[in-house]
Amino acid sequence: QKEVEQNSGPLSVPEGAIASLNCTYSDRVSQSFFWYRQYSGKSPELIMSIYSNGDKEDGRFTAQLNKASQYVSLLIRDSQPSDSATYLCAVKPTGGSYIPTFGRGTSLIVHP
Amino acid sequence: GAGVSQSPSNKVTEKGKDVELRCDPISGHTALYWYRQSLGQGLEFLIYFQGNSAPDKSGLPSDRFSAERTGGSVSTLTIQRTQQEDSAVYLCASSELAGELFFGEGSRLTVL
Repeated sequence: QKEVEQNSGPLSVPEGAIASLNCTYSDRVSQSFFWYRQYSGKSPELIMSIYSNGDKEDGRFTAQLNKASQYVSLLIRDSQPSDSATYLCAVKPTGGSYIPTFGRGTSLIVHP
Repeated sequence: GAGVSQSPSNKVTEKGKDVELRCDPISGHTALYWYRQSLGQGLEFLIYFQGNSAPDKSGLPSDRFSAERTGGSVSTLTIQRTQQEDSAVYLCASSELAGELFFGEGSRLTVL
């Protein structure tokens, strides 16, 4: 069974710090990787997608992908209290399946 | 509206009753997904529709659950003879690009 693993946290960082969220996956040939943010009581919201090894930056967010080591990470620079949420990692398997597998998420708390 | 619309937002029912949950996806999105999320848990895949193809029902937990999608647009998830363990938030998402899901606000189901 294909799995996506995340540390449930909570990860607590001070305002202004860099928050680092990690995700590992079991399907070695997975192709597409996504980060979703879910505020408490709300639905998930796509914030980043990454398809190639290396870094992808979007504002304060950087997604990092290392296919050889089967991990993907999300860095949040200059963390703000409004970034406090659960961050879900999702992996789209290879082949014809279009159903992403979600990790259980990491809870991030940014304290002032 | 431009987003995924779900109704009802909240549903309280008695054990043994049938419920229907509705999802109106983003216009032009050919893929539609149903997930459910129990309190404090991750996303559990239920069913996936892609265009006019046969749906992927591999995530449905029992034969009490069924879903249809009419005209390639609106989808209805039906739960027959509801049980208390069916209590959860049912999330619908639509997608144009595989893995990049746009979620509705969810339907919170409480079975008494």
